[in-house]
Amino acid sequence: DAGVIQSPRHEVTEMGQEVTLRCKPISGHDYLFWYRQTMMRGLELLIYFNNNVPIDDSGMPEDRFSAKMPNASFSTLKIQPSEPRDSAVYFCASRIHNSPLHFGNGTRLTVT
Amino acid sequence: QQQVKQSPQSLIVQKGGIPIINCAYENTAFDYFPWYQQFPGKGPALLIAIRPDVSEKKEGRFTISFNKSAKQFSLHIMDSQPGDSATYFCAASTGANNLFFGTGTRLTVIP
Repeated sequence: DAGVIQSPRHEVTEMGQEVTLRCKPISGHDYLFWYRQTMMRGLELLIYFNNNVPIDDSGMPEDRFSAKMPNASFSTLKIQPSEPRDSAVYFCASRIHNSPLHFGNGTRLTVT
Repeated sequence: QQQVKQSPQSLIVQKGGIPIINCAYENTAFDYFPWYQQFPGKGPALLIAIRPDVSEKKEGRFTISFNKSAKQFSLHIMDSQPGDSATYFCAASTGANNLFFGTGTRLTVIP
């Protein structure tokens, strides 16, 4: 099993640009989570899906952030427009009901 | 509001020492308490987990102690090794819902 796959690993962009982060969950997992990690705030849940349907998006910071899961094997997190304070490591994680959460290796986003 | 409070923020021990990381929670509905280990450049990985019907769980050199009445749980690493140097996160959840993470503890084990 290849695990949760995220791309890109690193993204550097200028303020105001659109950023799209991608995630492929582990096959068969029906829950997908997007987390953001910063030194100040630790690991914060942004949004999670169950069977491709968004369940809780209360952690999405503002309207500039959006997430989609068009099918069971793919999800995107989009930031438009990006701001320097969005700089963080973004993790995608997946699990099947009642099993441990498996994380990808993250995307390090730098907005200048 | 931090659902799970973790301490200390950082910890340095000598090889062979027993680092202890503590976590506390308020929500009595939490029924799953995992610990995650994270190395630089990697995502967190599940280390060990406990449910509130037991007071202790051991897996190799890692032990979780759980105090339901105090709403606290802790991670002990026996005979710590330099390879254990990482950031450790406690977490809590209710059923299949979202995991709430502590703020992490950066552990350094000196050879």
